[in-house]
Amino acid sequence: DTEVTQTPKHLVMGMTNKKSLKCEQHMGHRAMYWYKQKAKKPPELMFVYSYEKLSINESVPSRFSPECPNSSLLNLHLHALQPEDSALYLCASSQRDGTVAMPQHFGDGTRLSIL
Amino acid sequence: AQKITQTQPGMFVQEKEAVTLDCTYDTSDQSYGLFWYKQPSSGEMIFLIYQGSYDEQNATEGRYSLNFQKARKSANLVISASQLGDSAMYFCAMREGRGDYKLSFGAGTTVTVRA
Repeated sequence: DTEVTQTPKHLVMGMTNKKSLKCEQHMGHRAMYWYKQKAKKPPELMFVYSYEKLSINESVPSRFSPECPNSSLLNLHLHALQPEDSALYLCASSQRDGTVAMPQHFGDGTRLSIL
Repeated sequence: AQKITQTQPGMFVQEKEAVTLDCTYDTSDQSYGLFWYKQPSSGEMIFLIYQGSYDEQNATEGRYSLNFQKARKSANLVISASQLGDSAMYFCAMREGRGDYKLSFGAGTTVTVRA
């Protein structure tokens, strides 16, 4: 079992729906990340939160809206998605101590399908 | 420019044999970290091993070892005594010493272990 928990594991939604992905960690990490991964490709960074503040937005379309309510929780709100947004969405967390040495720990991901 | 290069899209290995996955990197930073992740078909990204740029010894974690050749900018992963459960995609990643917490991933190598 991973220490980063993502729900739901699978999500099918229409292009007009609004849904949210949830990510939770209890390792005391202060940096959290959202990645998008297409099949057989490496993960692509979407957002980084550091101490609950958005520090990096990799020019992600506004139909993806991240939220970090507290240090343990990270949400990704989805609205009016396109078929090309179908992918595996991975959440990760890491300690924030200013060194390069901290690995990111990933959840199992949410497999998202847009109809 | 590509920061992480994995030149082997796919590899087959016989059970109980060792396999080496190649990874070369490009950075001008003196401080950086190199990571290997395993991603089974289930989707979870599993952190395997870390090597710091200032580490003088090659990292080892159980059956995983990292052959770090700094002058050649390579960080190859060696998996000894392969098991069927090692079948997965493996990603090499680098984090540079700029404090933005980004991981640069390679394209990945798919390993299939044969009985």
